[in-house]
Amino acid sequence: KAGVTQTPRYLIKTRGQQVTLSCSPISGHRSVSWYQQTPGQGLQFLFEYFSETQRNKGNFPGRFSGRQFSNSRSEMNVSTLELGDSALYLCASSLEQGSGQFFGPGTRLTVL
Amino acid sequence: GQQLNQSPQSMFIQEGEDVSMNCTSSSIFNTWLWYKQDPGEGPVLLIALYKAGELTSNGRLTAQFGITRKDSFLNISASIPSDVGIYFCAGQGQGAQKLVFGQGTRLTINP
Repeated sequence: KAGVTQTPRYLIKTRGQQVTLSCSPISGHRSVSWYQQTPGQGLQFLFEYFSETQRNKGNFPGRFSGRQFSNSRSEMNVSTLELGDSALYLCASSLEQGSGQFFGPGTRLTVL
Repeated sequence: GQQLNQSPQSMFIQEGEDVSMNCTSSSIFNTWLWYKQDPGEGPVLLIALYKAGELTSNGRLTAQFGITRKDSFLNISASIPSDVGIYFCAGQGQGAQKLVFGQGTRLTINP
């Protein structure tokens, strides 16, 4: 089975721009979660989608949003980028709630 | 944000030594997970624990879900060079998909 894939792997943007990241979960997994990883804050939960519905949300501003499509693929969007949004954005998929989450390789976002 | 207390933060050991790291929390979790992350990659799931008191092995790795549901440990026996990396614990509450992560333990192996 193919693992979780994320595109693009690297991205450079400037302040004020917006960005969209994509995640394809493991085949058959319907839950997709997004995390932000920074040296200072570590791994922080952004949100989780299941069957095209946002089920859980972390403590991030409204500039961070996401969606899930009927094939379980998910996208997250960050608008009005700030320097502090520079991070590794990780997507994880799981079969069902409470089961192990499997991570993709991440998208490294740099905001200049 | 909420984080688990993971220790030690870093370890410098000789090849062949055993390694032990642990995580504690003030909250109860229903699931404990252990991940390893290599530079430039996403975390890789090593062991998942679903029941208090559960002891699970995966090759040279052994992890336990604390009986109080507020802690977990990971042991690595007979370390080898490819064990180098950052190890994270993660807890998951009941009815929630959100993972709460520890700060990580950076493992370095001296040749």
